[in-house]
Amino acid sequence: SQKIEQNSEALNIQEGKTATLTCNYTNYSPAYLQWYRQDPGRGPVFLLLIRENEKEKRKERLKVTFDTTLKQSLFHITASQPADSATYLCALDTNAGKSTFGDGTTLTVKP
Amino acid sequence: DTGVSQDPRHKITKRGQNVTFRCDPISEHNRLYWYRQTLGQGPEFLTYFQNEAQLEKSRLLSDRFSAERPKGSFSTLEIQRTEQGDSAMYLCASSSAVGGKGNQPQHFGDGTRLSIL
Repeated sequence: SQKIEQNSEALNIQEGKTATLTCNYTNYSPAYLQWYRQDPGRGPVFLLLIRENEKEKRKERLKVTFDTTLKQSLFHITASQPADSATYLCALDTNAGKSTFGDGTTLTVKP
Repeated sequence: DTGVSQDPRHKITKRGQNVTFRCDPISEHNRLYWYRQTLGQGPEFLTYFQNEAQLEKSRLLSDRFSAERPKGSFSTLEIQRTEQGDSAMYLCASSSAVGGKGNQPQHFGDGTRLSIL
């Protein structure tokens, strides 16, 4: 069956360091992958989308990589800030429409 | 662009009652999605519409659940004869489908939190 795994229940890092979050998947051939941020009591907010033929995408302090051979995406936040503390979700998509989400990784950035 | 809005934000009801939630998507988006999310889990796909057509329904969507998007704008999700297990956050999202493909980011509302007593 299809499975999406995001690394560790929680990730704690010091302000200024780089946070790296992992999304691994099995039995799936996504056309593209998205990363979202979710704060408590709020809906997910879109951050970045990367297509299967792209290796890397950047947006300000954010970087996403997508390795379809390893079936893995890495999400990096450089120069992390306490305001980056949130749950980060990866979502895999075919071109059919619906997204399949992982359970998220909760990031805490300590000052 | 006022974003995706959902109403109500919170709903508390007794087991066995019917509930209806509303979602107003971003106006130019032709795709609308419903998801359910429980604590510590990611959103689970329930159903989606392209314009007024309901294109896919998850196996999670039992016959007690029904969704409509009558004019291709707002959508409603109704749960009949609610059960304890229906307690969750119900999220709506919208996107634009380019070339008929779902390859654009989804914009989410802040959800309706349902609590069944």
